[in-house]
Amino acid sequence: QSALTQPASVSGSPGQSITISCTGTSSDVGGYNYVSWYQQHPGKAPKLLIYDVNNRPSGISNRFSGSKSGNTASLTISGLQAEDEADYYCCSYTSSGTLVFGGGTKLTVL
Amino acid sequence: EVQLVESGGGLVQPGGSLRVSCAASGFTFSSYWMNWVRQAPGKGLEWVANIKPDGREKHYVDSVKGRFTISRDNDKNSLYLQMSSLRAEDTAVYYCARPPGGNVAFDIWGQGTMVTVSS
Repeated sequence: QSALTQPASVSGSPGQSITISCTGTSSDVGGYNYVSWYQQHPGKAPKLLIYDVNNRPSGISNRFSGSKSGNTASLTISGLQAEDEADYYCCSYTSSGTLVFGGGTKLTVL
Repeated sequence: EVQLVESGGGLVQPGGSLRVSCAASGFTFSSYWMNWVRQAPGKGLEWVANIKPDGREKHYVDSVKGRFTISRDNDKNSLYLQMSSLRAEDTAVYYCARPPGGNVAFDIWGQGTMVTVSS
């Protein structure tokens, strides 16, 4: 049950697009279309952005999109805004019936 | 309003026990898998455990197996996490979380309850 691998930090300027990767194995990310992404601002509970690799819950901006290729999932944020500055986490179902999060990525909007 | 409210956190000595609870409202609690997710101070999210709607299937992260027990009372719309043999590394905010429909994710989160394991 090793954590999924995410970059520790990414940055971008307002209006730009950024992509956060999430690498696992064939026993988690690569084996199931059950990857989700979360945004967390300091002191707040996480917020679901993407589920089942590329589905957005109602109310989530279409600036957020998800994809997967092999054992790596990705979250893309387009048209960066100041309020996007936060921590982002991926999560995957595993072959053991458990779930595992990535280590988290801090997004800085320059 | 769909809501999850955790309670029961506090300070406990290493080796001690504690039970945290999560009160659900605004949805049919008995229809959902429910989860506990924790976050140590300044650290990332860690999934801890989940339980099937009827309570008959449970899964745990390896680091808590044999020490933590997840349970639920559908009549009381409540989720529990009984924690024993607590260690300093169990210090964290504990969130209960609900998936969106039949999907594997967490769309409803509580505000969290802080558990501190220290002498």
